[in-house]
Parts: sequence; C-alpha cells; structure tokens
Amino acid sequence: AQSVTQLGSHVSVSEGALVLLRCNYSSSVPPYLFWYVQYPNQGLQLLLKYTTGATLVKGINGFEAEFKKSETSFHLTKPSAHMSDAAEYFCAVSRIQGAQKLVFGQGTRLTINP
Amino acid sequence: DADVTQTPRNRITKTGKRIMLECSQTKGHDRMYWYRQDPGLGLRLIYYSFDVKDINKGEISDGYSVSRQAQAKFSLSLESAIPNQTALYFCATSDYDRSVTGELFFGEGSRLTVL
Repeated sequence: AQSVTQLGSHVSVSEGALVLLRCNYSSSVPPYLFWYVQYPNQGLQLLLKYTTGATLVKGINGFEAEFKKSETSFHLTKPSAHMSDAAEYFCAVSRIQGAQKLVFGQGTRLTINP
Repeated sequence: DADVTQTPRNRITKTGKRIMLECSQTKGHDRMYWYRQDPGLGLRLIYYSFDVKDINKGEISDGYSVSRQAQAKFSLSLESAIPNQTALYFCATSDYDRSVTGELFFGEGSRLTVL
C-alpha cells in the first residue's frame, strides 16, 4: 500500500527566506508524485507533478520539487518566500491505476513572516 | 466563474438530518470525485464516478451516498448526519488522461457542521 508522510504540520519562514516542505512516500512501484496547494477558503490546485523523466520538476509560482528515489522523497522548495505563498500544501502519491488511488499526506501549513 | 462549483459553501445542521451537497462542473470531464478533509488527516476519498452509470465507493463511504445526475453533476448525501461528519468536503473532477496520473481539479469546498 502507498503512503505519504509530510514532516511538519506547520512551517514558518520569513519573507525572502528559503521554503522547504518535506514529503516522503512509500510505494511498491514507481510512483506519480504531486504537490497541491490550498489557499485560504479555496480548493486545492495542482502546484507541480512528477510522472516520468526529469527528476527535478518546476511548478507554478517559482516552486520546484525533486524526486529522489533512493531517499523516497519529493521535497518542495522555493528559493525566496513571498507573503502570497501562505497556504496549506499537500503532497500526494498515486500509481498508474488512476486518481482514485491518489493518497494525500496530512498537509503542511506554511506561514510567511514579514 | 469557477469550473467546479459546490453548493452550499457552508452548512450547519443537526444530528439526524438529511443533507445534500451538490457539485457541478463546466470542464467537460467525465470523472468526478468526493473527498473529505479533516485537520491532520489530509483528504480521504468518499466516492468516485467515471461516468453516469459507473459509481464506486472510496476509502470512507459508510454513512454517505451519491448520485450522478448528469455528466456535469455529482451530489453527495448524508442520509442521517452525525457530528463526526463535520468536515470540509471537496468535489473534484478529471478526465481520463489526467486521472491516469492522478491529476484532479477541485471545487472550493463545502464546510459542513453537524451539531
């Protein structure tokens, strides 16, 4: 069975600082990996995804994530935080069987300090 | 206008009442999903539908039922609401190609409180 663990339910960084949100997964087959973002009072939207190919994937709003098979990780980073990045971030994993098999992590709430 | 619209956005009800949450989409997707979000638990799948005649239970379907009235409409019902069904509910859609890899498009959520 697949599972996703996000380390840290709350992360707080200063504006302009590096953002690092951690995600580790377990999967018996090569996974598809996702980061979704949920802004206040909104639904989730896709930030970026890894399916195949290049292990460093770039998403919207300057975010990127690197698939590291040896570490079973898919950490999300952004070099310089902006106040508008304050949101909840969800890591998710699925297999080729489809979206109904998508497993979400617990979520990490990112706070940006001025 | 949102591509995936949920109504109501907020609802407070009492134990034992029947509640329906509605979802409609203009994305033309054939696949629709209902999720529940609880703090610290992420999102969990309640039901999903690949088309009007194909409805499937998800991880936590007990206490819920669904109806796919048309390709664009997917409703979630709580026949007799209980307090532990207090949560934020999301509808999501996808098409075949995106659903194979797990990509979903979400509505803005319906917050349900059961007293």
